Amino acid sequence: DAGVIQSPRHEVTEMGQEVTLRCKPISGHDYLFWYRQTMMRGLELLIYFNNNVPIDDSGMPEDRFSAKMPNASFSTLKIQPSEPRDSAVYFCASSQGLAGGGTLQETQYFGPGTRLLVL
Amino acid sequence: DQQVKQNSPSLSVQEGRISILNCDYTNSMFDYFLWYKKYPAEGPTFLISISSIKDKNEDGRFTVFLNKSAKHLSLHIVPSQPGDSAVYFCAASGSARQLTFGSGTQLTVLP
Repeated sequence: DAGVIQSPRHEVTEMGQEVTLRCKPISGHDYLFWYRQTMMRGLELLIYFNNNVPIDDSGMPEDRFSAKMPNASFSTLKIQPSEPRDSAVYFCASSQGLAGGGTLQETQYFGPGTRLLVL
Repeated sequence: DQQVKQNSPSLSVQEGRISILNCDYTNSMFDYFLWYKKYPAEGPTFLISISSIKDKNEDGRFTVFLNKSAKHLSLHIVPSQPGDSAVYFCAASGSARQLTFGSGTQLTVLP
């Protein structure tokens, strides 16, 4: 398996523009997570899906952020309009289960991330 | 308010010596803890985990210790190798089964 695939790897845009980040999870994984990494806040969970359904979006910072998962093999994170403070690395991860039982099924596999710079 | 804290942003260790990375948490409902390792331009990868019913878990050169009364866990790497140079993230989960990450510690192993 190719692992979790994210695109683009790098994105530079101007304030006010729409940004769309894409993710293809590992086949057979029922959970998909979007994280954001910044120097100030570290790695924080934005939203996660189970079987394509959003379960918890309490980490989404503002209404400018939205995420969708139209099918089991594709998810998007959209920022509209983008602002300079959105500059960060955005990671997508997938797993077969949720953390807690100590089985390999719960391990989250991360993609390489999208480095976003909003000017 | 950060529920998982890694107070040392960086650590340097000589090759062959022990590396000790520390992590503190504030939420007493956390019952599962993990360490992830991250190389530049890559996503974090799972390293080792421990359940709150244990106080130690070992996997090769990596050992995680959990002190529930102090709400503290640590990762020991023995012996340290240059390839271990990376950012290490501590993470915890509770009943919601979501991961809360610390801010990471950059480990540099000097040859």
